[in-house]
Amino acid sequence: QKEVEQNSGPLSVPEGAIASLNCTYSDRGSQSFFWYRQYSGKSPELIMFIYSNGDKEDGRFTAQLNKASQYVSLLIRDSQPSDSATYLCAVSKAGTASKLTFGTGTRLQVTL
Amino acid sequence: DARVTQTPRDKVTEMGQEVTMRCQPILGHNTVFWYRQTMMQGLELLAYFRNRAPLDDSGMPKDRFSAEMPDATLATLKIQPSEPRDSAVYFCASGSGWETQYFGPGTRLLVL
Repeated sequence: QKEVEQNSGPLSVPEGAIASLNCTYSDRGSQSFFWYRQYSGKSPELIMFIYSNGDKEDGRFTAQLNKASQYVSLLIRDSQPSDSATYLCAVSKAGTASKLTFGTGTRLQVTL
Repeated sequence: DARVTQTPRDKVTEMGQEVTMRCQPILGHNTVFWYRQTMMQGLELLAYFRNRAPLDDSGMPKDRFSAEMPDATLATLKIQPSEPRDSAVYFCASGSGWETQYFGPGTRLLVL
């Protein structure tokens, strides 16, 4: 079992819809959770992070964390074609000095 | 606009040759990470440093890879000898201790 699992996609959503991206992790000691966006041929860029159970909103993005279910998700409201990219979930554990473990990413396609 | 820089951006070499990749972290960041990204494996952590000291290089093939931080403004990743299976995009990332990592543009390596 991989430490961080994501559906590779592609996830196709129409413009204006809500895109829901999911991630599960295996280590209950994981304490911090990150979502990165990576455009084709570019480097990953941080979208947002979450530490506590519940929802965290930033503009059109909402991260949701459920530690009991070992599940973290990213919702993108009013999806735009410019949101088409691969979304990487990453987790870190306490005491690992910022070390992140990444999932393999979900490719999102926003269609016109 | 502070950013991580990496050189070279592209490298084509022949099997058996030495490859050196360089990274300049964001000024003031004390943590530097080296990642390798392939289609099959995704983003893998090779090594990372805090305050120039190596913290973890367990993701790196020790017989051919080496990572160093000769000073606070330069991190290097060397492969000697290189092999075709080393072909990948190598990313450097830096952070200031609270887990948020900022990625450089990457070095695309092709070993023939």
